[in-house]
Amino acid sequence: EVQLVESGGGLVQPGRSLKLSCVASGFTFSNYGMNWIRQAPGKGLEWVAYISSGSSYIYYAETVKGRFTISRDNAKNTLYLQMTSLRSEDTALYYCARHINYVDYWGQGVMVTVSS
Amino acid sequence: DIQMTQSPASLSASLGETVTIECRASEDIYNGLAWYQQKPGKSPQLLIYNANSLHTGVPSRFSGSGSGTQYSLKINSLQSEDVASYFCQQYYDYPPYTFGAGTKLELK
Repeated sequence: EVQLVESGGGLVQPGRSLKLSCVASGFTFSNYGMNWIRQAPGKGLEWVAYISSGSSYIYYAETVKGRFTISRDNAKNTLYLQMTSLRSEDTALYYCARHINYVDYWGQGVMVTVSS
Repeated sequence: DIQMTQSPASLSASLGETVTIECRASEDIYNGLAWYQQKPGKSPQLLIYNANSLHTGVPSRFSGSGSGTQYSLKINSLQSEDVASYFCQQYYDYPPYTFGAGTKLELK
């Protein structure tokens, strides 16, 4: 069974940093590209970042480019999202999601709240 | 970037009814479209990919169709467990992946 378990969220002040993690199980993590996708409270879905299986290709949404860094450790079956210079508009539920062009599996999400 | 316009924003229907949700892309996406269902308080779940292929385990009352810039999700014989928000997503041209704004489906 495919499982994606996010962690690392919480309340953080504007301008500060936070690092999210996503541990994958139930499939060969190193064979798949991965995404971070977020959802602000009561809003729709916004793609944030993508990383290919071997980390050769990395893409970001314009809204986070230069502030967020996606990375992965295939030996640990773990996906990361380093978030810096956080803004109130980054407040959202962040999902880790497996990529096969579309998303076929999503984690349960981790909440990030940016507020003073 | 490809924009996805989804309609309606909300929908109220009765049990057993047939429901259709539409998504229009700002340019041809060559069937690179997925539909997701998100139940309240849960993460999204894949329903349809490649515009018309049913994901494993999804009930056959769900179907997808369309081509070019116009796509639709149909739910036949609406069940109570279908109450959810539905999102379309294009993946023909990325980055960025883009989602429709969503359709909230409620029971009448």
